[in-house]
Amino acid sequence: NAGVTQTPKFRVLKTGQSMTLLCAQDMNHEYMYWYRQDPGMGLRLIHYSVGEGTTAKGEVPDGYNVSRLKKQNFLLGLESAAPSQTSVYFCASSYLGWTDTQYFGPGTRLTVL
Amino acid sequence: AQTVTQSQPEMSVQEAETVTLSCTYDTSESDYYLFWYKQPPSRQMILVIRQEAYKQQNATENRFSVNFQKAAKSFSLKISDSQLGDAAMYFCAYKRSQGTASKLTFGTGTRLQVTL
Repeated sequence: NAGVTQTPKFRVLKTGQSMTLLCAQDMNHEYMYWYRQDPGMGLRLIHYSVGEGTTAKGEVPDGYNVSRLKKQNFLLGLESAAPSQTSVYFCASSYLGWTDTQYFGPGTRLTVL
Repeated sequence: AQTVTQSQPEMSVQEAETVTLSCTYDTSESDYYLFWYKQPPSRQMILVIRQEAYKQQNATENRFSVNFQKAAKSFSLKISDSQLGDAAMYFCAYKRSQGTASKLTFGTGTRLQVTL
């Protein structure tokens, strides 16, 4: 049982490049989330999913897209990376949405030059 | 909108001593959940403790306990018998119990140093 895993752990992009971050969980959780963490700020929700095939916008969705084609995977895409997207990205999952604890992955450090 | 405030950017405690981290929040809801997460240098967010607002009893997990004051909207974390491994960033978080998704609102964090 690996919990929540994220790929890659580190990435450097040039402005305008695209990339996809992969989140996988093996706990059969329905809900999955993508957050970003910036210095001096708490985590902020980018997008989330309440089940396979569904996605919804969070607090800071602009510049990102997501897909949840399989229950265990939640992908975060950057179509045209910008320096403002330099951040640490965390994926999380929970069994239920309203009352359950969120389990976090180890994070991905992304730098956009 | 809900806000979570952690007014102590950094705290320091000696090994084996007790330290309390502060958190206040603002909400008009009556039913919600509060959490403390620990983020060590490895960056992974680890759940430390959770409190349901409808419960009057303060949550406890081994050396970690909370002081939940609902009327004052305060949720502090007490770490007893501090250990070197407790050194980390600690985030307080709030979650509504109703709604279309389980959105966590985080504070800005408190960095805890543990000294010998």
